[in-house]
Amino acid sequence: EADIYQTPRYLVIGTGKKITLECSQTMGHDKMYWYQQDPGMELHLIHYSYGVNSTEKGDLSSESTVSRIRTEHFPLTLESARPSHTSQYLCASSEFGGTGGKNIQYFGAGTRLSVL
Amino acid sequence: DQQVKQNSPSLSVQEGRISILNCDYTNSMFDYFLWYKKYPAEGPTFLISISSIKDKNEDGRFTVFLNKSAKHLSLHIVPSQPGDSAVYFCAAGGNNDMRFGAGTRLTVKP
Repeated sequence: EADIYQTPRYLVIGTGKKITLECSQTMGHDKMYWYQQDPGMELHLIHYSYGVNSTEKGDLSSESTVSRIRTEHFPLTLESARPSHTSQYLCASSEFGGTGGKNIQYFGAGTRLSVL
Repeated sequence: DQQVKQNSPSLSVQEGRISILNCDYTNSMFDYFLWYKKYPAEGPTFLISISSIKDKNEDGRFTVFLNKSAKHLSLHIVPSQPGDSAVYFCAAGGNNDMRFGAGTRLTVKP
């Protein structure tokens, strides 16, 4: 059973507002990820972290930033939301590294963001 | 570039029949492959995986087949049940990189 939580589940906000999407996991996983997904499209990796104080940008350019001060917590921040940021944001975690099918990612339920 | 492709956005099958979901990939460096299942308003959940050293992995009603030469994998669900109705994502990983397909929406009709 995966224990990874995202809040809020839904967010409608005006242009220019600063927002933080929360993600927490209780599995002690080192690696955490943020994905962005639009309907009918693949998941795009926007940020990931190998552990505390480690953050990397993914393959999809994003105006968001992340931090990893604690193992269990990986928040994503948008300093100034725009309508182009409207999307679903999925957080995931996995045990560090691993191949052969062992690097399974566990996902939160997602945050659906709408910027007006 | 889309390295993992699921060319069928949707699939509809009758309860009790076989569901076959397909996935193609382009990067020969991928060495493990996974299928995730996603219900509405939930995150994807891991279903089954396969290593590149195998060509088949079975778990109950779910079987994943891998054809490395064709860079193709498929998920078979037998027999299909209405509760299997969901979006299925194919994912491929290697060298700490993982890519997801766009998903196939499976509908199993009673």
